[in-house]
Order: sequence, then C-alpha cells, then structure tokens
Amino acid sequence: EAEVAQSPRYKITEKSQAVAFWCDPISGHATLYWYRQILGQGPELLVQFQDESVVDDSQLPKDRFSAERLKGVDSTLKIQPAELGDSAMYLCASSRGRTQYFGPGTRLLVL
Amino acid sequence: AQRVTQPEKLLSVFKGAPVELKCNYSYSGSPELFWYVQYSRQRLQLLLRHISRESIKGFTADLNKGETSFHLKKPFAQEEDSAMYYCALSVQGGSEKLVFGKGMKLTVNP
Repeated sequence: EAEVAQSPRYKITEKSQAVAFWCDPISGHATLYWYRQILGQGPELLVQFQDESVVDDSQLPKDRFSAERLKGVDSTLKIQPAELGDSAMYLCASSRGRTQYFGPGTRLLVL
Repeated sequence: AQRVTQPEKLLSVFKGAPVELKCNYSYSGSPELFWYVQYSRQRLQLLLRHISRESIKGFTADLNKGETSFHLKKPFAQEEDSAMYYCALSVQGGSEKLVFGKGMKLTVNP
C-alpha cells in the first residue's frame, strides 16, 4: 500500500541554522499539506499545495519558513533561521479526495 | 473562527468497558468531522468520518449539530484501542484544511 514518505525522521540543529524537510506524497495525490505539531497539541496547518500552487499559507511564518512543490510532486519545507520555538513534529499529508494520508513526520529539535 | 475542543486529555479504562471520547466544534459553515488515531510508533491515520456513517473497529460517532458535538464511542474497549485520538474539522471554501483538537490519550488496561 502506498504511503507518504518524509525525511529525515529526526533533525537536531542549533538556533540560527537552516533546516529542510522533504516529503514525497502518494502517487497521484494532487493536494499536499505541511502541518506542525507542538508537543501536547494537535497538528496545525502551515501550508497547502494544489499541484504546484500554494492554496493556503496563512499560518506559515513567512519571514523564516518557505515551502515549494516545484513539479507538483514532492515538496520541501525550509526554515531559516531556526529558532528554539520551532522544535516540533513536522507532518506531511496528501489527499486526492477528502481523506488525508499522513507521513511519519520529522521531529525537529532546535538547541 | 474554527475551533475543535477535546475537553479531556487522558482516559483510562479497563478492557470491556465502554468509552466515549468527547469532541465539540465551533464553525459557522456546514461541518465535516473526522476522527484520526495514532497508535504507538505509527503514523496518524483516519479512523472515521461523519459522512460515511460507518463503524470502524467498533467505534461510531454521530454528528450532533444542535450540541456541536462529534463524540466517539465504543461499547466494549479492547487493549489494542490504546492510542492518541484526534478530532478534526474540515474547513470548506477551497482550502479543505483540517483543524485538529489537542488530542486525547486512551489507555485500555487488561
């Protein structure tokens, strides 16, 4: 069964450094989401793509976060510079209909 | 603003006991509600959605628009039901993003 892939699974970085996360959605899924999940909270949407276009990035801190999905397939989320408060789980999800399928996440720790 | 509230963070029951995980929502539009589950060391996955009106792994959930609730119920809990459960609201209008509650940890003891 096809699954959403994410890498790396874990990332430790120092504040002010740049980090990047990669997501490969399920083949054929046009919609891709990046969520951030802080410990003890539910996931919160950062950015949503429909093919290569951004549909919703209203909650993305654009001064330091960027996301791209150049060919409408895989996607990269970048943080530069990382801050202590960015420590969280970053989840990628994809969908073709109403159901979202989640990847395993990337756990980021900023020291 | 859209909001999902799961008032309890933890629930611990014995095997065979009934469980009810509460979820309330706030949304001015026509709501579409989901329950997602995350078992230990596994990814977040869909458990059920109100539109489907089906029972998955013995769980059911009914949308009550009057009480703005979507509580998850199971008459006889099993140990394998132990997991984190998240209630989520799909926001309409192009984005169809999910707004999640904070989650609830269910522990079913033998």
